[in-house]
Amino acid sequence: EVQLVQSGAEVKKPGESLKISCKGSGFSFTNYWIAWVRQMPGKGLEWMGIIFPADSDTRYSPSFQGQGQVTISADKSISTAYLQWSSLKASDTAMYYCARRDSGWKPFDFWGQGTLVTVSS
Amino acid sequence: EIVLTQSPATLSLSPGERATLSCGASQSVRSSYLAWYQQKPGLAPRLLIYDASSRATGIPDRFSGSGSGTDFTLTISRLEPEDFAVYYCQQYGSSLTFGGGTKVEIK
Repeated sequence: EVQLVQSGAEVKKPGESLKISCKGSGFSFTNYWIAWVRQMPGKGLEWMGIIFPADSDTRYSPSFQGQGQVTISADKSISTAYLQWSSLKASDTAMYYCARRDSGWKPFDFWGQGTLVTVSS
Repeated sequence: EIVLTQSPATLSLSPGERATLSCGASQSVRSSYLAWYQQKPGLAPRLLIYDASSRATGIPDRFSGSGSGTDFTLTISRLEPEDFAVYYCQQYGSSLTFGGGTKVEIK
């Protein structure tokens, strides 16, 4: 059974760092891209970036690249992708999903359950 | 970046009715690399349609997709109670972008 299991909800203060995870199982993790998608409260889906764990090739959405907003990484040895922040802001409060994408021009065919990140002083 | 505009923002219909959702692109979507997702409250999105008109595994045939170029449509032939949700289009032919979503609500 294909699974993408994300780490649990987080409550952080502005300025703190955070790393959330997405662990894949039931498929060959290194044959797929893993994307991260943000959903702010009551809003739509926003693609943040994507990584190919086999070689760590990483692409970012223009909206999330620059000024080190977020960093996407992966550890293929444990089939896990990560999304991290060095300094959180209140505006980072959102649900974050990871999703799987096959190689080539393909959609996101399987999603994790989501990780809720709340940033509040 | 390709901008996707979904309309209407909200669609109020009754069970059994036909739903027609639109997704317009700011420029032509390469090879009709367009997908539709369904999201229910508190759950992750689920892939319904890919390559504009192909149903994903396990998706009922009341869901159909059509279109090419800059205009795409998701049709639900007869709404079932479980179909009331938010629907998003996504293009994946030039980087990746999502539309803003259409909420299908019970009238």
